[in-house]
Amino acid sequence: EPEVTQTPSHQVTQMGQEVILRCVPISNHLYFYWYRQILGQKVEFLVSFYNNEISEKSEIFDDQFSVERPDGSNFTLKIRSTKLEDSAMYFCATTNRGQGSYGYTFGSGTRLTVV
Amino acid sequence: AQTVTQSQPEMSVQEAETVTLSCTYDTSESDYYLFWYKQPPSRQMILVIRQEAYKQQNATENRFSVNFQKAAKSFSLKISDSQLGDAAMYFCAYRVTNAGKSTFGDGTTLTVKP
Repeated sequence: EPEVTQTPSHQVTQMGQEVILRCVPISNHLYFYWYRQILGQKVEFLVSFYNNEISEKSEIFDDQFSVERPDGSNFTLKIRSTKLEDSAMYFCATTNRGQGSYGYTFGSGTRLTVV
Repeated sequence: AQTVTQSQPEMSVQEAETVTLSCTYDTSESDYYLFWYKQPPSRQMILVIRQEAYKQQNATENRFSVNFQKAAKSFSLKISDSQLGDAAMYFCAYRVTNAGKSTFGDGTTLTVKP
């Protein structure tokens, strides 16, 4: 079964450093999302991406965050200057329908720890 | 704003028994989709089942079924013949047609006792 691949699985970074989280979507999927989950808590929407541009973003997704698909395969989430409160599990999700009728395929997540 | 509420932070069930996880949501939309996702200890989120709001028939996937009550804005998940591998956190999620994002509930941790 096709998978969404996320790397790295775990990243530890110092506060103020930049991190880039990577996702390789399923090949025929067109809609991409980033969600985060602070340990044991609710899954929160960050951003959706379609046709090489942001479709929607949440209040969490401020100027410190950016997304891009630089080479047509990887879908990346960049945090420019990490804060302690950015420590969370970050999930990439993709779907091949934007009409809402299909669920997401999630990656296995990147655990980001900011120290 | 749409909200999704899972009122049971924790549930437990005996192996081979049936358990029902509750979910309610608040929306002014008439067209939308509802999902249940499973998150085992590995942390991977896995789609369990989905329901289109325009369909009256409740969705079923093997041992998993839903009880969708649109007027009551309720979407419960029933797991029959519970197995040890069903132990996980379960999230109810809502998504509006033509919108990208999903709104998730707080989750219910299910324990399956042998």
